[in-house]
Amino acid sequence: SQTIHQWPATLVQPVGSPLSLECTVEGTSNPNLYWYRQAAGRGLQLLFYSVGIGQISSEVPQNLSASRPQDRQFILSSKKLLLSDSGFYLCAWRAVLSSYNSPLHFGNGTRLTVT
Amino acid sequence: AQSVTQLDSHVSVSEGTPVLLRCNYSSSYSPSLFWYVQHPNKGLQLLLKYTSAATLVKGINGFEAEFKKSETSFHLTKPSAHMSDAAEYFCVVSPLPSNDYKLSFGAGTTVTVRA
Repeated sequence: SQTIHQWPATLVQPVGSPLSLECTVEGTSNPNLYWYRQAAGRGLQLLFYSVGIGQISSEVPQNLSASRPQDRQFILSSKKLLLSDSGFYLCAWRAVLSSYNSPLHFGNGTRLTVT
Repeated sequence: AQSVTQLDSHVSVSEGTPVLLRCNYSSSYSPSLFWYVQHPNKGLQLLLKYTSAATLVKGINGFEAEFKKSETSFHLTKPSAHMSDAAEYFCVVSPLPSNDYKLSFGAGTTVTVRA
């Protein structure tokens, strides 16, 4: 069966520090990968998605970047965190075959607090 | 383009009574639709999905949803609420095949269950 791992679960970082959040998927090949952010009391905002190694699409201009160095690895990064980067970050994958009907499968999320 | 509207931002029910969460969508084509549940500080868990098969879809934990094309609705119901159903619920529509990577999320409905 497929599983998705996301870490760390919680993170407290000072303003101006770098960020690296990692997500890996097991049990599937060539998934579509996604990073979402959920601010307190708000819905989900799509940050990045990837349809293959090295292929990243950004949804909103921001202080963050994403990379996909391997087929089932998706990394969210920042060189210098801002207070506004605080939130709950969720990684998700989706099967490519018949992907029109495929649901997203989410990791457990990372709670990031920038102080 | 597609969009999703969750008609209630908050629903409060008594334990053992029915739950109804309302979702309306817009889509130029027959969509795929999903309901997710999110407990505090957790990722989103798939409850059920509609993919143009049976219009009445049964999911996990006793939830079901009915796809009504004439009303462009996909309401989620459960006959008897349990305390563990207290969570946030998201209705999601899958995109057109030509733009197959981004899904549209509703703003979410927070469910409170009274003892």
